[in-house]
Amino acid sequence: QQQVKQSPQSLIVQKGGISIINCAYENTAFDYFPWYQQFPGKGPALLIAIRPDVSEKKEGRFTISFNKSAKQFSLHIMDSQPGDSATYFCAASREGGATNKLIFGTGTLLAVQP
Amino acid sequence: DGGITQSPKYLFRKEGQNVTLSCEQNLNHDAMYWYRQDPGQGLRLIYYSQIVNDFQKGDIAEGYSVSREKKESFPLTVTSAQKNPTAFYLCASSKTPVATEAFFGQGTRLTVV
Repeated sequence: QQQVKQSPQSLIVQKGGISIINCAYENTAFDYFPWYQQFPGKGPALLIAIRPDVSEKKEGRFTISFNKSAKQFSLHIMDSQPGDSATYFCAASREGGATNKLIFGTGTLLAVQP
Repeated sequence: DGGITQSPKYLFRKEGQNVTLSCEQNLNHDAMYWYRQDPGQGLRLIYYSQIVNDFQKGDIAEGYSVSREKKESFPLTVTSAQKNPTAFYLCASSKTPVATEAFFGQGTRLTVV
């Protein structure tokens, strides 16, 4: 119930295309869903996050779509650029818990070809 | 600049030796975390600390130890009991134990030779 399943494991997209990464969770108590971006040799950094009270959140070229009934959420990168090439992690946590223990997906390695 | 500093960036250890990874933060955050990253397995929580002088085991604590004697420091010791220690180790912090955003350091890559 604590797992967050992420797919695909890797993704190749042409410059200007749309990158889509999907995540699914089991624990209905989760109420915070962030996406982290990690460049090689660096630590992850928060990219965008959503809470279940909205179905979509957009920040620039990055959009999270959230489907509460299906327990799924996805990251869409519009007009993908070579600089977006990185590993992306989805995560989930329960804000009302005693600690904010983030449960991470297994990551998606995105390569945007010029 | 505020942030999390991990050192060293690369670390080599002989089998059977203990090694300590450093993590320092100047963000005045209460909570700190250690994660281990392996290819295809995401980030797995080793230990976390909500407050000075307190810490809790995460999902894969066996073979690791930590201390939290100061708010800004959370060192991780990889002991000889850890069967497969070669990995990328990430330290993170959050403003409070229930704060939603975690800030990560640059990581330490440990290789056992």
